[in-house]
Amino acid sequence: DVRLTQSPSSLSAAVGDRVTITCRANQGITTYLNWYQQKPGKAPYLLIYGAFTLQTGVPSRFSGSGSGTEFILTINSLRPEDFATYYCQQSFSTPITFGQGTRLEF
Amino acid sequence: EVQLVDSGGGLEQPGGSLRVSCAGSGFSFRTYAMSWVRQAPGKGLEWLSSISAGGGDTYYADSVKGRFTISRDNSKNTLYLQMNSLRAEDTALYFCAKDQEPLPQPNWYFDLWGRGTLVTVSS
Repeated sequence: DVRLTQSPSSLSAAVGDRVTITCRANQGITTYLNWYQQKPGKAPYLLIYGAFTLQTGVPSRFSGSGSGTEFILTINSLRPEDFATYYCQQSFSTPITFGQGTRLEF
Repeated sequence: EVQLVDSGGGLEQPGGSLRVSCAGSGFSFRTYAMSWVRQAPGKGLEWLSSISAGGGDTYYADSVKGRFTISRDNSKNTLYLQMNSLRAEDTALYFCAKDQEPLPQPNWYFDLWGRGTLVTVSS
């Protein structure tokens, strides 16, 4: 199974900051890596797929990079609505797996 | 409106059975693979199962293989998850999710999610 490890597990930041979240896979998954945002009590929301392709409607302050085993989600100029939990997910092979999540908070 | 509406959750005893459903609308349901993902209280996301657009191929996580069955009725635009031999550790919010691309086989990433239906397994 592909195991995904996110770092950090939690992150404190302020409005206007630039933050990065890392997702590492225990084996190469080329660019089959996706990122979701989840707010409390809500369903996850697809932000980025294929490691770097921004989902339609997602603000351009979100970006993704990486390939192989290391991936990064970058959020520029944090806005209040960005404070949430972020998950990476691999779509390289079954079982599909998610990272443990990164909680972004004030 | 493009949406998925999960339903059917509830309280069930260990060893019992429950079927959750997910009704899709606003898109061509029959052309997308669909999946179930759950989230235990305060925990992360766990993929459970997926089914191809036509329903002929199914995929399961080891944690539910042999106990849960995914199915779909494209004439009713509805996805199902039959859950048998329920355990306390199955307690979670169950989300249905739609694949991003309209392909016969799963793309394995999800652009539309239901709001979730809560399943509680407890005596």
